[in-house]
Amino acid sequence: EIVLTQSPGTLSLSPGQSATLSCRASQSISSSYLAWYQQNPGQAPRLLIYGAFRRATGIPDRFSGSGSGTDFTLTISRLEPEDFVVYYCQQYHTSPWTFGQGTKVEIK
Amino acid sequence: QVHLQESGPGLVKPSGTLSLTCAVSGGSISSTNWWSWVRQSPGKGLEWIGEIYHSGSTSYNPSLKSRVTLSVDKSKNQLSLKLSSVTAADTAVYYCARDESSGYYSYFDYWGQGILVTVSS
Repeated sequence: EIVLTQSPGTLSLSPGQSATLSCRASQSISSSYLAWYQQNPGQAPRLLIYGAFRRATGIPDRFSGSGSGTDFTLTISRLEPEDFVVYYCQQYHTSPWTFGQGTKVEIK
Repeated sequence: QVHLQESGPGLVKPSGTLSLTCAVSGGSISSTNWWSWVRQSPGKGLEWIGEIYHSGSTSYNPSLKSRVTLSVDKSKNQLSLKLSSVTAADTAVYYCARDESSGYYSYFDYWGQGILVTVSS
């Protein structure tokens, strides 16, 4: 199966700063099949980005995705208080579909 | 707006069978979408369990395939998950989710709120 490794595990930043989250795949995947999710405590994951860089409906433009092949990045510019939660990448390239272990963005 | 709602027992005994349903509203389970189950435990993060199409076609995660059965009830617009021979390692929050994979992209676009299932005697 394709293993997704996210780094760092925890990112400590201040509101207004930018966050850069990495997702590395164990083998090359089509960017069409790489998604990012945001998860608030006690809630289900919420789709943020699909196709590596396409924002889902209603997602603010401070969230952006990039990358290809095995290396993908989620960038959050101008961090808002509600952005300090956990983020997951997920691949839909090869079954079984897999998720990264998550990156927690916490307030410094 | 599609809404998914999981339901079922929150406590299952070891060696027993975990049974959950997912009611779908605001959309038809007979659409062109596949429907997945995903679980989340502290030890293993998010884990895809398997998916089902309204025709009954299924795809399972090999790690769970021998113990999982997915089904659909089109008359009730709902999905079902059965996981047999459970152990404490199956304690997790279980989610149902809609697969959006009808076009050039694929992702999970709608999720249920999740249900915590604890395996304990």
